[in-house]
Amino acid sequence: SYELTQPPSVSVSPGQIASITCSGDKLGDKYAYWYQQKAGQSPVLVIYQDSKRPSGIPERFSGSNSGHTATLTISGTQAMDEADYYCQTWDSSTVVFGGGTKLTVL
Amino acid sequence: QVTLKESGPVLVKPTETLTLTCTVSGFSLSDARMGVTWIRQPPGKALEWLAHIFSNDEKSYSTSLKSRLTISKDTSKSQVVLSMTNMDPVDTATYFCARSYCTSGSCYVRYFDYWGQGTLVTVSS
Repeated sequence: SYELTQPPSVSVSPGQIASITCSGDKLGDKYAYWYQQKAGQSPVLVIYQDSKRPSGIPERFSGSNSGHTATLTISGTQAMDEADYYCQTWDSSTVVFGGGTKLTVL
Repeated sequence: QVTLKESGPVLVKPTETLTLTCTVSGFSLSDARMGVTWIRQPPGKALEWLAHIFSNDEKSYSTSLKSRLTISKDTSKSQVVLSMTNMDPVDTATYFCARSYCTSGSCYVRYFDYWGQGTLVTVSS
């Protein structure tokens, strides 16, 4: 079955750029989606179709996907961005989530 | 506005069958662009996808849990039901339902744009 691999944790200083990667076999041939989940809350879609932002998501969130890796980038990271981030794709009609990355802003 | 709400037992015994209901509002389960998925999250762990139902009633299941899962929908009641048999303590988790939305007729782009609040299910004797 298809798998997506994320680093367990990423740390970033406020105002800096945070990059979270998601790796999968030929992931660039699929679309990648990213969800943010803050403690005790339901996930929120922050990037869809590799690089598009839903309405209401700040411009500092961006995404890319090529080859075997999708990347979520947060520019000018803020304390409120501290959360778990999950990548997701579709493999045929099934859904695959990455293992999640805990973003710490310190 | 779009809402999804999960309901079901908070406690089930080992070997029992869990039945969860996702009641949706603000959209129709018969809309070709819409679907509903179930996802679970054990305490402190990652999201795990369980099952999805499309508007045409096509269903897909997690490979590892397929033998235990059944998903169905009642469009008239705006409800999607997930059943999981032979529950075990390792199935203790918060169970979420989420709406999938596709942006084009081909539905090649499909994402989860609205989520329920989740319901914690504990499996214990």
